[in-house]
Amino acid sequence: DAGVIQSPRHEVTEMGQEVTLRCKPISGHDYLFWYRQTMMRGLELLIYFNNNVPIDDSGMPEDRFSAKMPNASFSTLKIQPSEPRDSAVYFCASSLLRVKQFFGPGTRLTVL
Amino acid sequence: KNEVEQSPQNLTAQEGEFITINCSYSVGISALHWLQQHPGGGIVSLFMLSSGKKKHGRLIATINIQEKHSSLHITASHPRDSAVYICAVTSGSRLTFGEGTQLTVNP
Repeated sequence: DAGVIQSPRHEVTEMGQEVTLRCKPISGHDYLFWYRQTMMRGLELLIYFNNNVPIDDSGMPEDRFSAKMPNASFSTLKIQPSEPRDSAVYFCASSLLRVKQFFGPGTRLTVL
Repeated sequence: KNEVEQSPQNLTAQEGEFITINCSYSVGISALHWLQQHPGGGIVSLFMLSSGKKKHGRLIATINIQEKHSSLHITASHPRDSAVYICAVTSGSRLTFGEGTQLTVNP
């Protein structure tokens, strides 16, 4: 198995632009998680899905952030418009029955 | 006060030493997780536990629900164990992380 796949691995954009981060979970997993990691705040859970349905999005910082999971093999995290304070590493993780999570390599986002 | 607190923040050890990292939490939880973040940034889930003790190789995780405390032990530490170790707790649908413990094991 290829593990959790995230793209792009690095993204540099200018303030105000739309950013879309992508995640392909491990096949057969029923939970998908989006995390953000910054030096100031550490790791934070943004949102998670169970069977493609968003369960808890209380960690999404504001309306500029949205996440979708149109099918079991794909999820997106979108930031529109992006701001410099959104610069962080964004991790996607998946699990079966919310037991052990498998993390993707992360997307390092820089907003100038 | 953070809901999840880890100690120490930084730890330096010599190869072969026994290492303990502590995690205390202040909320009712359904599970506690230990994660390892490598110097390159990758994250690996080490343990998920809700009671007692779990062991995997040289790693042992324990939890005391009454005292709201967990420990991660590394026996016969090795330089490749150098990483950030992160404690996280699941409470309801929320997942809250500690700030992490930076471990450096010198040869």
